[in-house]
Amino acid sequence: GESVGLHLPTLSVQEGDNSIINCAYSNSASDYFIWYKQESGKGPQFIIDIRSNMDKRQGQRVTVLLNKTVKHLSLQIAATQPGDSAVYFCAENLSGGYNKLIFGAGTRLAVHP
Amino acid sequence: SQTIHQWPATLVQPVGSPLSLECTVEGTSNPNLYWYRQAAGRGLQLLFYSVGIGQISSEVPQNLSASRPQDRQFILSSKKLLLSDSGFYLCAWNEVQKNYGYTFGSGTRLTVV
Repeated sequence: GESVGLHLPTLSVQEGDNSIINCAYSNSASDYFIWYKQESGKGPQFIIDIRSNMDKRQGQRVTVLLNKTVKHLSLQIAATQPGDSAVYFCAENLSGGYNKLIFGAGTRLAVHP
Repeated sequence: SQTIHQWPATLVQPVGSPLSLECTVEGTSNPNLYWYRQAAGRGLQLLFYSVGIGQISSEVPQNLSASRPQDRQFILSSKKLLLSDSGFYLCAWNEVQKNYGYTFGSGTRLTVV
């Protein structure tokens, strides 16, 4: 369900370490998932997506893992950099209708030198 | 290529004044359009969505309204602003019948004083 009223949890990592951001989604019928990155004062930007017929997808320094059995999504960022500091949102697409996205609560990633 | 424009970037309005935020999309036709609000340090709350001209659906009861006078234009309005209307407002679009994520605008920071 929506958790827009909650403060965002924060993940603190050292520069150069790998980061793992987790997300639990709500609907077993969701067939498409996206990770967004939102920097302060800006709109969310697309990072990577994955469809339900896959369990892993890799991009540049990022990997998304999907576990449909437990309805869990994760975003892995390799060699985390200061520019990765942002809020990260997962989103699930409920197929059919107008493709409504359901957003997770978000996680703040703080990268320390 | 498709682009989304949202303005103004920042706005300071007194309580009781009217509001009009505008969002336009270029390079596509018949997009789905969305208005989100984000309180400081919080998640994304869907306010309105539209699947066509004149078709508006409201997700939460509130002091705001939305209109879609043209295919690629989405307007968020209020007749009398409340202090609680302060926040970061984001417009987004995606293509009908395609399993794509949303593309967000750059947002409007509204402060009601």
